[in-house]
Amino acid sequence: QIVLTQSPALMSASPGEKVTMTCSASSSVSYMYWYQQKPRSSPKPWIYLTSNLASGVPARFSGSGSGTSYSLTISSMEAEDAATYYCQQWSSNPPITFGSGTKLEIK
Amino acid sequence: QVQLQQSGAELVRPGTSVKMSCKAAGYTFTNYWIGWVKQRPGHGLEWIGDIYPGGGYTNYNEKFKGKATLTADTSSSTAYMQLSSLTSEDSAIYYCARRYDGNYGFAYWGQGTLVTVSA
Repeated sequence: QIVLTQSPALMSASPGEKVTMTCSASSSVSYMYWYQQKPRSSPKPWIYLTSNLASGVPARFSGSGSGTSYSLTISSMEAEDAATYYCQQWSSNPPITFGSGTKLEIK
Repeated sequence: QVQLQQSGAELVRPGTSVKMSCKAAGYTFTNYWIGWVKQRPGHGLEWIGDIYPGGGYTNYNEKFKGKATLTADTSSSTAYMQLSSLTSEDSAIYYCARRYDGNYGFAYWGQGTLVTVSA
């Protein structure tokens, strides 16, 4: 199965700071998806097909990557962005796997 | 708007089974795959499998074959997941989620069902 490794596992950023987190796949994948989850809430779709923002996601977020290396970037950190972010891929078997998450905290 | 309403929390005994539901609204139930995802504290998200209600087609994560059974009732727009031979390892929050149209991400999520396995 394709393993997704997210790094860092934990990070903190100050308001206004640029944030980048990565998702590395053990084999090449076609697209990456990202979800945001806050405590006691369901995951929310955040980025789909590598670089498309889900409905309602602020424009300070962006996604990029290809092959085995993908990233999620926040151009200017805001307090509401503090959350855990998970990446997800689809391949043939098993079809869907998730990364272990990057927990982003506000300084 | 699209909504996925999941059934309430369950407290179940080891060795028994549990069946949870996910009622869909706001879209044509038979046209979209619904997936199920497990989340345990400290274990992130784990895909269990998914079902296409329009034809009853299913895909399972190999790890959950024999553990999870996915079904769907088109008359009530409800997807179900049954978990069998429960152990403490099955204590978790279980989410249903509907895929995007035409790709493999999950566009809508239910609120989750907490399953606690305890004697």
